[in-house]
Amino acid sequence: DAKTTQPPSMDCAEGRAANLPCNHSTISGNEYVYWYRQIHSQGPQYIIHGLKNNETNEMASLIITEDRKSSTLILPHATLRDTAVYYCIVTKETSGSRLTFGEGTQLTVNP
Amino acid sequence: NAGVMQNPRHLVRRRGQEARLRCSPMKGHSHVYWYRQLPEEGLKFMVYLQKENIIDESGMPKERFSAEFPKEGPSILRIQQVVRGDSAAYFCASSPKTESNEQFFGPGTRLTVL
Repeated sequence: DAKTTQPPSMDCAEGRAANLPCNHSTISGNEYVYWYRQIHSQGPQYIIHGLKNNETNEMASLIITEDRKSSTLILPHATLRDTAVYYCIVTKETSGSRLTFGEGTQLTVNP
Repeated sequence: NAGVMQNPRHLVRRRGQEARLRCSPMKGHSHVYWYRQLPEEGLKFMVYLQKENIIDESGMPKERFSAEFPKEGPSILRIQQVVRGDSAAYFCASSPKTESNEQFFGPGTRLTVL
């Protein structure tokens, strides 16, 4: 799996958009970008994934650059409950592929 | 549809004892994964199983650790002769047999070795 690089921490005001960047310059053509988050001590939670097109679901939006070397996860209206470690993972989109968690970004949403 | 279930949630063992961690995947999911999170560290893949088969155990320590996912019943992660370094949170995840790597995680089992 391609290596990813994320800032170790970010802060965001409640109600504002949180934009979490991820670099994955060695991504290969058949690899997808997945985002998970882990709220303190809980099991990780899937957020969203994409290949090359921008994606949106009820939780977030994923913007992938045209060259696919970086992406941004957007939480449009962050709440205090969004405080968590966010992981950007590059992996093949086939069930059975291990997830390689890096150190992620600690997002703190402030009131 | 109940989520991934793990039990016990907390487990305390003395050095040299055995630890058995159980994971019931979501209904209809045939793929199970185990991950370990050591204190102040990230999540590390341990093993991937399908019913009655170990598919990828490249993340499992070579000794004392074993995993199974029988035809009937939960997946079991077994740690023999535990040592203090085994103290960690162990997470199980499951996924359906589809073309997606969306894995659903359980709440974890926190193992403490005294």
